[in-house]
Amino acid sequence: QQQVKQSPQSLIVQKGGISIINCAYENTAFDYFPWYQQFPGKGPALLIAIRPDVSEKKEGRFTISFNKSAKQFSLHIMDSQPGDSATYFCAASSQAGTALIFGKGTTLSVSS
Amino acid sequence: NAGVTQTPKFQVLKTGQSMTLQCAQDMNHEYMSWYRQDPGMGLRLIHYSVGAGITDQGEVPNGYNVSRSTTEDFPLRLLSAAPSQTSVYFCAVGLAASYEQYFGPGTRLTVT
Repeated sequence: QQQVKQSPQSLIVQKGGISIINCAYENTAFDYFPWYQQFPGKGPALLIAIRPDVSEKKEGRFTISFNKSAKQFSLHIMDSQPGDSATYFCAASSQAGTALIFGKGTTLSVSS
Repeated sequence: NAGVTQTPKFQVLKTGQSMTLQCAQDMNHEYMSWYRQDPGMGLRLIHYSVGAGITDQGEVPNGYNVSRSTTEDFPLRLLSAAPSQTSVYFCAVGLAASYEQYFGPGTRLTVT
């Protein structure tokens, strides 16, 4: 059973548009939800993360929206730029200092 | 301050050969883990360690061994490589009291 489901698998957005990636989880014990950004040939890098006590967190052009009752969270990239073209992974964890459970990833292409 | 380093960057093995993937950190983080990344599968946890002398299995441990004799190093051993172990391997580290985890640059392994 996949604990974190991510969609879509791939996404093409025009420059300046909004990119939206969604994740859903099953385990109600999860209490930390990060998003990682990965460029080709590089390791994943922590982009932004949220705890379930807030419904939204914004850092620059990146926003996480969190819906605890629906067990869903999403990443919104405003004013998408070609430099945002990468693979994005959502993840979840139930305890500090333990494993992250990852979604399968979304490949984002921002066309200029 | 190198953060998380992984060696080698690339490796080609023949079926049945053994090898060790190295992960080292200078961040003094207690938690270390190994993930494998396969196309369309996201990142899957192989083994993890919460401190020197303590290791445990993740989601896909078969065919891999680990040990943790120091805080800094967490090697991953393939005892008898199989083509199914062709993948990109990432090491991640984190503080025991923190949810944040940081990834190394990865090792691309091909087993023929």
